Order: sequence, then C-alpha cells, then structure tokens
Amino acid sequence: EVQLVQSGAEVKKPGESLRISCKGSGYSFTNYWISWVRQMPGKGLEWMGTIDPSDSYTSYSPSFQGHVTISADKSISTAYLQWSSLKASDTAKYYCARHMIVIGMDVWGQGTTVTVSS
Amino acid sequence: QSALTQPPSASGSPGQSVTISCTGTSSDVGGYNYVSWYQQHPGKAPKLMIYEVSKRPSGVPDRFSGSKSGNTASLTVSGLQAEDEADYYCSSYAGSNNFVFGTGTKVTVL
Repeated sequence: EVQLVQSGAEVKKPGESLRISCKGSGYSFTNYWISWVRQMPGKGLEWMGTIDPSDSYTSYSPSFQGHVTISADKSISTAYLQWSSLKASDTAKYYCARHMIVIGMDVWGQGTTVTVSS
Repeated sequence: QSALTQPPSASGSPGQSVTISCTGTSSDVGGYNYVSWYQQHPGKAPKLMIYEVSKRPSGVPDRFSGSKSGNTASLTVSGLQAEDEADYYCSSYAGSNNFVFGTGTKVTVL
C-alpha cells in the first residue's frame, strides 16, 4: 500500500525550533516529489514548497521562502519540514503529499498539527 | 502569486449537478493544462479527484468531471450524493516548479 505517514502533533513556544517528518512507503520514494501544504484553523490549503527527494532540489512559495526549510533523506524515504524560530501564526495543520506536475498530489499524509503558544 | 478564485459556497439537491469555478491568470490556469481538484471532508486529509484538467484517478466516480476554458477551470459533480458534501479546492501549476491552490468551495447537499 502506498502511504505517507507523518510525525505526531507538536506543542511549542514562540521562538522554538521544530522539525516534522513525512515517511513514504510502498513506492519508490525518489520517483516522486513531496510537497508540503499548510492549513490554518478554519482556512484553506496553501502550497508551501516542494522537494525532489532524488537530488533534494527544492522550490518554495514566496509566502514561505526564508521562514521554513524543506529537506529529505532518501536513504530512509523521509521528508522534513522545519522551522528555526516558530511564531504563533505558524499554528496550523501541515500535510505532506506525493506530487508530480502532471498527476497532482495523489497521496497525502494524515497531517501534523502544530500549536505554537506561550 | 495569488490564490486562485473560487466561489465560497455551492449547493444542490441529491441527484442534481453542481459546478465550481476556479479562476486564475494566464500565468497559472490559463498557461498550463495542469489543474487538479481536491475534496476534503471535515477533519480529513484532502483527496485527489481530478488531475490534468479532466482526468480521474482510479476509484473516483465518473460523476466528477473537470474542464477548462481560458483562465477558468471548472469541476462538475453530477448526480449529487450526500457523501459529496465537502470542501473542494482547485490547484494549478504556475511555472518554475511553483503551484497555487484555490480559495476553496464548500459544497452543501440540500
């Protein structure tokens, strides 16, 4: 079964760092990109950025460039989304998705809820 | 890049059809045939319903269809069923490995 399994919910304070993960299984991890998508409480989907796990080439939405870092470790079929200094406005649910331009985002993780509060 | 524009809501009775629009620009929807549509039920992860403007992934009912004209893409749900009540989002390739989502449409089955 093709699936993406994300790490568990996090509660952090403003200014703290965080890395969440997305592990792929059931397919060749390096044959598909991984995208990260933010959904703030009660709001819509926002594309944050995409990584090609085969070479770690990344592209970011201008809205998120410089605030988050996307990376991947192809040896363990895992992609990451990280922050160096969280803000309260980063409180949201974050999804990873298997992604290619032609086929869209065809497999999604279950989502990771991040809560940032003092 | 700005979010693609969708109507906030749409509704129809069981068995009827509903069409959702997704308006972008010549730099995204109008420039590429890489529009996809996602269904999201409350508390669940999104699900791919349409890709490449009008293609359906395996397992998606043929009641769901997609089209595009100029800078506007559309999703039509025919023969509405109760389980179709959900939020729907379009997405488009915007060039240079960039992507953009629509603002989302809540579909209500009356």
